[in-house]
Amino acid sequence: NAGVMQNPRHLVRRRGQEARLRCSPMKGHSHVYWYRQLPEEGLKFMVYLQKENIIDESGMPKERFSAEFPKEGPSILRIQQVVRGDSAAYFCASSQTGTSYEQYFGPGTRLTVT
Amino acid sequence: GQQVMQIPQYQHVQEGEDFTTYCNSSTTLSNIQWYKQRPGGHPVFLIQLVKSGEVKKQKRLTFQFGEAKKNSSLHITATQTTDVGTYFCAGDRGSTLGRLYFGRGTQLTVWP
Repeated sequence: NAGVMQNPRHLVRRRGQEARLRCSPMKGHSHVYWYRQLPEEGLKFMVYLQKENIIDESGMPKERFSAEFPKEGPSILRIQQVVRGDSAAYFCASSQTGTSYEQYFGPGTRLTVT
Repeated sequence: GQQVMQIPQYQHVQEGEDFTTYCNSSTTLSNIQWYKQRPGGHPVFLIQLVKSGEVKKQKRLTFQFGEAKKNSSLHITATQTTDVGTYFCAGDRGSTLGRLYFGRGTQLTVWP
């Protein structure tokens, strides 16, 4: 009974490179949320996706960031031309119902931009 | 801006002492959830509160949801070193399809 899986767990990128973060939801879950956590901060909502649809991207910066959840395969959070301020932990959570109840979080991807 | 405020940001206690963290929202919430995150770990769901004035207990942990559904608290009785971590509240405003608004968390340190 695998939980939410994220990879890579740690990612180092130089400024200007691209970062691709992957999230596989729990089995049977079709709702995925991405959150960003800066050091000693709470989690900030970025985007909510269902299969092949972006439902709410109001928390995601309009430039350089994009997300998708294809029919097959994991959800991908893509950050183009990374800057130092993008260094953070990125968590995805999945739920069965698309409500806030019991969103199960993955282990996160710690992105470091050098 | 910050829509869910949580205090204190840090709390250091001696093992056996009690601990409380408080959460306050600028808007009425449909429900509030509490998560625990160990250092280097990910948030783990603890509980959800839905009803006005609701109180729930999990062993030494007591969770409360205010009458106006704008504030909440988590109280730990007789802390243990295993309680170490950051406790987050997260509010659902009910109109945003599962979007959670997290507080900044309270980082609990327990000295043996």
